[in-house]
Amino acid sequence: GAGVSQSPSNKVTEKGKDVELRCDPISGHTALYWYRQSLGQGLEFLIYFQGNSAPDKSGLPSDRFSAERTGGSVSTLTIQRTQQEDSAVYLCASSPSIPYEQYFGPGTRLTVT
Amino acid sequence: EDQVTQSPEALRLQEGESSSLNCSYTVSGLRGLFWYRQDPGKGPEFLFTLYSAGEEKEKERLKATLTKKESFLHITAPKPEDSATYLCAVQTPSYGDKIIFGKGTRLHILP
Repeated sequence: GAGVSQSPSNKVTEKGKDVELRCDPISGHTALYWYRQSLGQGLEFLIYFQGNSAPDKSGLPSDRFSAERTGGSVSTLTIQRTQQEDSAVYLCASSPSIPYEQYFGPGTRLTVT
Repeated sequence: EDQVTQSPEALRLQEGESSSLNCSYTVSGLRGLFWYRQDPGKGPEFLFTLYSAGEEKEKERLKATLTKKESFLHITAPKPEDSATYLCAVQTPSYGDKIIFGKGTRLHILP
């Protein structure tokens, strides 16, 4: 079946512009996660959606970052007024529930110039 | 503070030379421990989930084991295609059921 998809695969933007990153999880998966991975670094947790519960936003690095999940499916991560330090690969993962494994998308490589 | 520590950071082996990767964790309550493989430029790929001490799982040349404080990923007679970064992660209710990742072990198998 179809896996997790993310778009765009690459995004180059100018400092100060807003960007939207999209994640399409595996159908039926109730949990959705966003992570950030900088070059050579581990995965940094950003935000977590589980079913209809309020999202866990404790990993968002600043109020420039926000995310929503519509209809319990597609999720969008928005970064406002991008900064150069936002450059990284943004990974989305979905899971059938907890404590089950996550399935990752291919990521969106964001470059802020 | 909950922690997941992987060692070594990097490992170079000759083809056929078996070894083990370590993941030690300090969390209050464990729902599950996960192993992933990540190839350059790709998202992590799920390998194993372990839920309780004493549990073992195998897949091809890989075997994962779990104790109360650590997990090992044993690689038997590795091949060059096993070269990747191996990530360990834990899920714990004390951390809101978020998943905590270690920094990974970069494995390079020389032909």
